[in-house]
Amino acid sequence: EAQVTQNPRYLITVTGKKLTVTCSQNMNHEYMSWYRQDPGLGLRQIYYSMNVEVTDKGDVPEGYKVSRKEKRNFPLILESPSPNQTSLYFCASSPMQGDQPQHFGDGTRLSIL
Amino acid sequence: SQKIEQNSEALNIQEGKTATLTCNYTNYSPAYLQWYRQDPGRGPVFLLLIRENEKEKRKERLKVTFDTTLKQSLFHITASQPADSATYLCALDRGSARQLTFGSGTQLTVLP
Repeated sequence: EAQVTQNPRYLITVTGKKLTVTCSQNMNHEYMSWYRQDPGLGLRQIYYSMNVEVTDKGDVPEGYKVSRKEKRNFPLILESPSPNQTSLYFCASSPMQGDQPQHFGDGTRLSIL
Repeated sequence: SQKIEQNSEALNIQEGKTATLTCNYTNYSPAYLQWYRQDPGRGPVFLLLIRENEKEKRKERLKVTFDTTLKQSLFHITASQPADSATYLCALDRGSARQLTFGSGTQLTVLP
């Protein structure tokens, strides 16, 4: 089954404790992206990657890092999480060609205390 | 600055009626626009795409229109059912690096 898998689905942690949210897709997509979703603000893009070893900032990249060492994986790293990063996070992937839709994971709910 | 607005945060309609959701945008010239459905606790799921040179697109009970003069897209669900209850998001192409800008969504509730 074609899917985007995120882990963990839920995490409660404390300020300053480094964490990584993993994202993996099995569709051989070149393009991958991370979003955060907050009430009233919609989905906002954090980082994206157009292929292996190619990453770029989205609209709200501050406080986040990413890497793309393999085509299928695109982890999101919070080196020193803060309470304002409490949010619902989604990973998405799509082919690079044309206007193909994005396939989303089921989200990771992060709470930073 | 670029802005997307979806008509209302919540829309309630009676089963069997047509639901109409609105997506307005300013300071964009998108090549295409997409609509997604999001259920609680799930990621958005793609429904329909419409390009700038298309006026209307249909898929089963769904219809999307795109008016680049009015800078507006309308999303219609005909013969609505309680199972159509969800949040619907519009997303606009930003013209570079395959980036999309999403609206904040309209929560549709279809009452039996």
